[in-house]
Amino acid sequence: GENVEQHPSTLSVQEGDSAVIKCTYSDSASNYFPWYKQELGKRPQLIIDIRSNVGEKKDQRIAVTLNKTAKHFSLHITETQPEDSAVYFCAPDNYGQNFVFGPGTRLSVLP
Amino acid sequence: DAGVIQSPRHEVTEMGQEVTLRCKPISGHNSLFWYRQTMMRGLELLIYFNNNVPIDDSGMPEDRFSAKMPNASFSTLKIQPSEPRDSAVYFCASSLGQLANYGYTFGSGTRLTVV
Repeated sequence: GENVEQHPSTLSVQEGDSAVIKCTYSDSASNYFPWYKQELGKRPQLIIDIRSNVGEKKDQRIAVTLNKTAKHFSLHITETQPEDSAVYFCAPDNYGQNFVFGPGTRLSVLP
Repeated sequence: DAGVIQSPRHEVTEMGQEVTLRCKPISGHNSLFWYRQTMMRGLELLIYFNNNVPIDDSGMPEDRFSAKMPNASFSTLKIQPSEPRDSAVYFCASSLGQLANYGYTFGSGTRLTVV
């Protein structure tokens, strides 16, 4: 099955700085690369996703980049704000064959 | 749309009792998933339905766990008998299309505590 890792496991940044979280996966057939955000006590929510025919996607302050050759994709958050503090999960998928979430990265944005 | 609806939000029960968790997926979503979240093991898939049919139940821990989806708008996850190690947050999620390749929409979860 898919082996998914995230780095770092925890990340603290000053408000206004950028944050980058990396997700590595093992299934070379993976074609869908989403990121989820889970605030404390809340449900995970899809915040951005990308498919294998696209290298980068942006949505306001967040972006996802994909390197299929190296089997990793990254979440980029610019101009971080306190409300970005949460746990972020990646969940690379292969046409619905993989149901594995990464272990999560806890992001803290310090005022 | 009200999103994925789960009930109850919290459940505290004694060891050995039966627990039933309920889920209503988003209308039109063909796939439904039950996940369990713990600090130690993260998010784990328990079972996945497509068009009301169980497709993959390899994540169900043991025979004490069972899940049903009698129609497109309702699913249950039952634990009988419950044990303290079943304490976790149980999420139901649904997805558009036959496969999970469109991203999940999660419900608010049920926090289960077995004492």
